[in-house]
Amino acid sequence: GQQVMQIPQYQHVQEGEDFTTYCNSSTTLSNIQWYKQRPGGHPVFLIQLVKSGEVKKQKRLTFQFGEAKKNSSLHITATQTTDVGTYFCAVPMEYGNKLVFGAGTILRVKS
Amino acid sequence: DSGVTQTPKHLITATGQRVTLRCSPRSGDLSVYWYQQSLDQGLQFLIQYYNGEERAKGNILERFSAQQFPDLHSELNLSSLELGDSALYFCASSVTLAVNEQFFGPGTRLTVL
Repeated sequence: GQQVMQIPQYQHVQEGEDFTTYCNSSTTLSNIQWYKQRPGGHPVFLIQLVKSGEVKKQKRLTFQFGEAKKNSSLHITATQTTDVGTYFCAVPMEYGNKLVFGAGTILRVKS
Repeated sequence: DSGVTQTPKHLITATGQRVTLRCSPRSGDLSVYWYQQSLDQGLQFLIQYYNGEERAKGNILERFSAQQFPDLHSELNLSSLELGDSALYFCASSVTLAVNEQFFGPGTRLTVL
């Protein structure tokens, strides 16, 4: 079945350092979504990528979709304490109308 | 605030019991999704309803069932509860049937003792 691998599982950075999380799929994806979950909170949609090689930016966040549409990355420039949380990628199942979430990357920021 | 509401916020019960979790989607959203989040299993899709009909199923246990009512709110019923059912249960909603942006509710934290 549809699987998505997300790495790293955990990253602890100094405030001001950059952060990147990666998602990899064994199959070609129609799209990929990214969500952020703050500690004690619920997942919040960040973005959806659809096109091959697509790059989208939201302030300090840069999202990329691979040329083969099998991988994606989320990069945060100059992390801040407000960036702490778990970042999930989510991909549609091969059949059906459901999302498969990656295991998530937990980001901790030291100030 | 996503516009999705879930009740109760917390639920503590004993093994063998049955509980009902309730979700009201955002105004205008026809799709409702249920997810289970536990430390060791991550965020797992359970089931989807669209405009009152079941449309997709994940690894939902037979002890669990759900429904979506004419006013589009949804309920997740968990029965014969086991310790391992302790988790956060999220409801999410979206406008369409297709897998696009989902809006998550605040979740119900279930503790089975």
